[in-house]
Amino acid sequence: EVRLVESGGGSIQRGGSLRLSCAASEFTLNLDYMSWVRQAPGKGLEWVSVVFPDGTASYADSVRGRFTVSRGTSKNTLYLQLNSLRVEDTAVYYCAGDTHSSSRADYWGQGTLVTVSS
Amino acid sequence: QSALTQPASVSGSPGQSVTISCVGTSSDVGGLDSVSWYQLLPGKAPKLLIYDVAKRPAVISYRFSGSKSGNTASLTISELQAEDEGDYYCSSVTKRTTLAAFGGGTKVTVL
Repeated sequence: EVRLVESGGGSIQRGGSLRLSCAASEFTLNLDYMSWVRQAPGKGLEWVSVVFPDGTASYADSVRGRFTVSRGTSKNTLYLQLNSLRVEDTAVYYCAGDTHSSSRADYWGQGTLVTVSS
Repeated sequence: QSALTQPASVSGSPGQSVTISCVGTSSDVGGLDSVSWYQLLPGKAPKLLIYDVAKRPAVISYRFSGSKSGNTASLTISELQAEDEGDYYCSSVTKRTTLAAFGGGTKVTVL
């Protein structure tokens, strides 16, 4: 069973930067579509970004221009660079992946918490 | 405000069935067969229950089923069990953006 493990979360002041990482526990599958999804405290899920097989990416309007997603050189690894952080970016950030589609995710991590203080 | 509308909560007794609705528009739920459902349990990774409206991953119990009528998708949990208590989210591809949209989530309580 493929499991995704996120790291890099923590507490940071408004305007700061963080880099989140995600790695798969095994490499038998090609997670062609990998995403970051977040859940703010007491709120619902929000799709933040997705990277496609060709390396291109899409972003939510709320993070475009501030966050950058990229794949690692190792198979099934993913990064999210978070710049110019805002208090409203406080959330659990989940790494997610799928072998077939950018609009769903069959594999998920347990999330890493990012807390932005003012 | 979420693009897709779900009830805040539903409840049922063990053994009963509950249905969660997900109301969208012709630009998402109604116009595309790309609705997914996810289960979030405390302390666990989210889990994909249903994709493409009604398809179920091999590891998901038959008790979970999906359907769609017009602009409304539905998730039915049959033979409700205590372990089903948690939050459930629908998601749909949308013609408005390149990222899928989520519903606001529904809390399922097993009485």
